[in-house]
Amino acid sequence: DSGVTQTPKHLITATGQRVTLRCSPRSGDLSVYWYQQSLDQGLQFLIQYYNGEERAKGNILERFSAQQFPDLHSELNLSSLELGDSALYFCASSVGATSRADTQYFGPGTRLTVL
Amino acid sequence: AQSVTQLGSHVSVSEGALVLLRCNYSSSVPPYLFWYVQYPNQGLQLLLKYTTGATLVKGINGFEAEFKKSETSFHLTKPSAHMSDAAEYFCAVRYNQGGKLIFGQGTELSVKP
Repeated sequence: DSGVTQTPKHLITATGQRVTLRCSPRSGDLSVYWYQQSLDQGLQFLIQYYNGEERAKGNILERFSAQQFPDLHSELNLSSLELGDSALYFCASSVGATSRADTQYFGPGTRLTVL
Repeated sequence: AQSVTQLGSHVSVSEGALVLLRCNYSSSVPPYLFWYVQYPNQGLQLLLKYTTGATLVKGINGFEAEFKKSETSFHLTKPSAHMSDAAEYFCAVRYNQGGKLIFGQGTELSVKP
């Protein structure tokens, strides 16, 4: 158990819909990262938040957005869903934001299926 | 572009045999290097990481990896495979201060009895 929690575990929805994925970081961690894992793209970084502020952005679609709240939990919002958005979405957390040596601890993921 | 290459999407070994999973990175600036393992229906778990110092890094579950700058490699090894080692293994690098991990495509390890 990494200490990172994600809900829900599974999500099945239809094209065009909007969903919200939730992540709670390990106690004491200030950074939250979102990754998408799909068969064709592999593991891709989406976005990082540190202590409530966006820190780094990766291959995140404009239809996707995220935020980190004062209690440090984070939400990833996916809208106008397409079949290709079906994937495993991971959240990870780390203590800091700037140290390359920081270990990122991963949650169990949310499996999104878009029908 | 910075990238990570894992040679072999699938590796099969017999129980008790040597495990060797290959990872090469593309950059003239040595990154920080990580190996993660993903068991079925689970998240990623850190096996080991190289930041600075000793180039031979020991991790959990008997795994180790050696950073070779001249070969831009960070191969993962285990002297004797166990059935419980069957999983997907990901090599990852981190270049910038903070920010993202760049992952390889993963290598699925199968262990035959």
